[in-house]
Amino acid sequence: GENVEQHPSTLSVQEGDSAVIKCTYSDSASNYFPWYKQELGKGPQLIIDIRSNVGEKKDQRIAVTLNKTAKHFSLHITETQPEDSAVYFCAASIRENDMRFGAGTRLTVKP
Amino acid sequence: DAGVIQSPRHEVTEMGQEVTLRCKPISGHNSLFWYRQTMMRGLELLIYFNNNVPIDDSGMPEDRFSAKMPNASFSTLKIQPSEPRDSAVYFCASSNSGRGSGVQYFGPGTRLTVT
Repeated sequence: GENVEQHPSTLSVQEGDSAVIKCTYSDSASNYFPWYKQELGKGPQLIIDIRSNVGEKKDQRIAVTLNKTAKHFSLHITETQPEDSAVYFCAASIRENDMRFGAGTRLTVKP
Repeated sequence: DAGVIQSPRHEVTEMGQEVTLRCKPISGHNSLFWYRQTMMRGLELLIYFNNNVPIDDSGMPEDRFSAKMPNASFSTLKIQPSEPRDSAVYFCASSNSGRGSGVQYFGPGTRLTVT
């Protein structure tokens, strides 16, 4: 089955700096890669996703890149703000019921 | 839209008791997922329903766990009897998918503590 590895496990940046979180996956058949943000006491919320027919997708300060050859994808947050502080999860799936999540990255943005 | 609704938000129970967690998916969504989140194991898929039918329950840890979806707007996850190692946050998610992977929307979760 799919295996997703996520790095780093913790990340601390200064407000205004950029943050990058990286994930690798094992199954080349995976075709859907969402990123979720989980705030304390809440469920994961989708922030951006990318499908395997696209190499990059951007939504305001958030962007995701996908390298299918290397089987890795990354989340980029620019101009970080304190409210970006949360745990971020990447995931990869082939089928709807086969979504595998990374272990999560705890991002702290220091004001 | 109200999003995925879960109840209760917190549950504290004693070992051996029955626990029932409830979920109302987003209206119009045809897939429902139950996940468990722990520090040790992260987010794990327990069971997946499509059009109210259990499609994949390979993630259900033991026979003590059971899930039902009697209609498109309601699902339950039951643990009987509960054990301390069942303590975790349980999430319900729903999606509207045809072919391929659909976006999953998570509920706020139920934090279960078994003493």
